[in-house]
Amino acid sequence: GENVEQHPSTLSVQEGDSAVIKCTYSDSASNYFPWYKQELGKRPQLIIDIRSNVGEKKDQRIAVTLNKTAKHFSLHITETQPEDSAVYFCAASQRGSYIPTFGRGTSLIVHP
Amino acid sequence: DGGITQSPKYLFRKEGQNVTLSCEQNLNHDAMYWYRQDPGQGLRLIYYSQIVNDFQKGDIAEGYSVSREKKESFPLTVTSAQKNPTAFYLCASTTRGDSNQPQHFGDGTRLSIL
Repeated sequence: GENVEQHPSTLSVQEGDSAVIKCTYSDSASNYFPWYKQELGKRPQLIIDIRSNVGEKKDQRIAVTLNKTAKHFSLHITETQPEDSAVYFCAASQRGSYIPTFGRGTSLIVHP
Repeated sequence: DGGITQSPKYLFRKEGQNVTLSCEQNLNHDAMYWYRQDPGQGLRLIYYSQIVNDFQKGDIAEGYSVSREKKESFPLTVTSAQKNPTAFYLCASTTRGDSNQPQHFGDGTRLSIL
């Protein structure tokens, strides 16, 4: 089955810095890669996703890049703000499989 | 307003007791899921259901049971066989189609042992 590794487990940055979280996956058939943000005590919410026919996708300060050859994808947050502090999860799934495999999460702390 | 509703928000279980967590969605989603979240361990899949009257075990199904009698509802029972039930439980749903779509999550139920 699919295996998703997520690094780092904790990331501490100063406000205004950039943050990068990386995930690697094992199954080359995976073609859908969402990222979720979970604030303390709240529900995970989708912040951005990417499909295997695209190499990069941006939404304001957030971007995701995908390298299918190396089987890794990364979340990039620029100009970080204290409200970006949360746990971020990556996931991977195959077309027609509705069971995503999640990474273990990255706790991002943005210091004012 | 469409979404997923989980109840209760907090739940306490006595030893030997079964408890049921509710999950209802009005998104018309076919697939529903239950996850367990422990600190530092991410999301672990307990059970999932892709259509009414059908469900499958996930990675950590032992000590749990589910039913899917209606499309909108997917309750989870934590049985007395689950010896370490203290955790945050999340319900999720998604639509099924030609391309995968993200999951929508409920607000969670925090279960503790009395």
